[in-house]
Amino acid sequence: EVQLVESGGGLVQPGGSLRLSCAASGFTFSSYWMSWVRQAPGKGLEWVANIKQDGSEKYYVDSVKGRFTISRDNAKNSLFLQMNSLRAEDTAVYYCARGGRLRSGWPWDAFDIWGQGTMVTVSS
Amino acid sequence: DIQMTQSPSSLSASVGDRVTITCRASQGISNYLAWFQQKPGKAPKSLIYAASSFQSGVPSKFSGSGSGTDFTLTISSLQPEDFATYYCQQYSSYPYTFGQGTKLEIK
Repeated sequence: EVQLVESGGGLVQPGGSLRLSCAASGFTFSSYWMSWVRQAPGKGLEWVANIKQDGSEKYYVDSVKGRFTISRDNAKNSLFLQMNSLRAEDTAVYYCARGGRLRSGWPWDAFDIWGQGTMVTVSS
Repeated sequence: DIQMTQSPSSLSASVGDRVTITCRASQGISNYLAWFQQKPGKAPKSLIYAASSFQSGVPSKFSGSGSGTDFTLTISSLQPEDFATYYCQQYSSYPYTFGQGTKLEIK
């Protein structure tokens, strides 16, 4: 079964750090772009970052540039999001999703598989 | 950034109805548009990619169309499990952006 399972969320104070993980199974992880998408409570979806198969390309939404770092370990079928200098507005459910390649015509590049999400709460 | 605007923001319909949701991009995105369904407390589910192509396992009652700046998602013969929030998303340029969502409710 194709599956993504996020972990690492929790309560953190403003200015703190958190590292999210996403464990992939059921597909050849190293063959796919991967992304993080978040959703603040009661709000819509916001793309956060994506990473190429070999990690050589990474892109971020402006609001997290310089604070968040996306990475992957293909040997461990895992995707990560290191979040530093966290702010209240980063409070959200964070989803990992398969895909995210720019201007692709392939279904697996269009966020076809999603994890269940992990909640990050930034509050004092 | 490309702004994605969905209309309506909410929609009431009955079981068996056919509904259409519109998504407009602030600039041309060719056909690099996806549609997602999200139920409360659940992760989004991919329905459509490349504006009109079905993701695997998605029933043909969902159909997408459009190119450039104007897109539609049509759902035919609504069933209780179809009542959810629907989002469009462009992947033509960074940052990827989503529409604000359309909440489809039972009348």
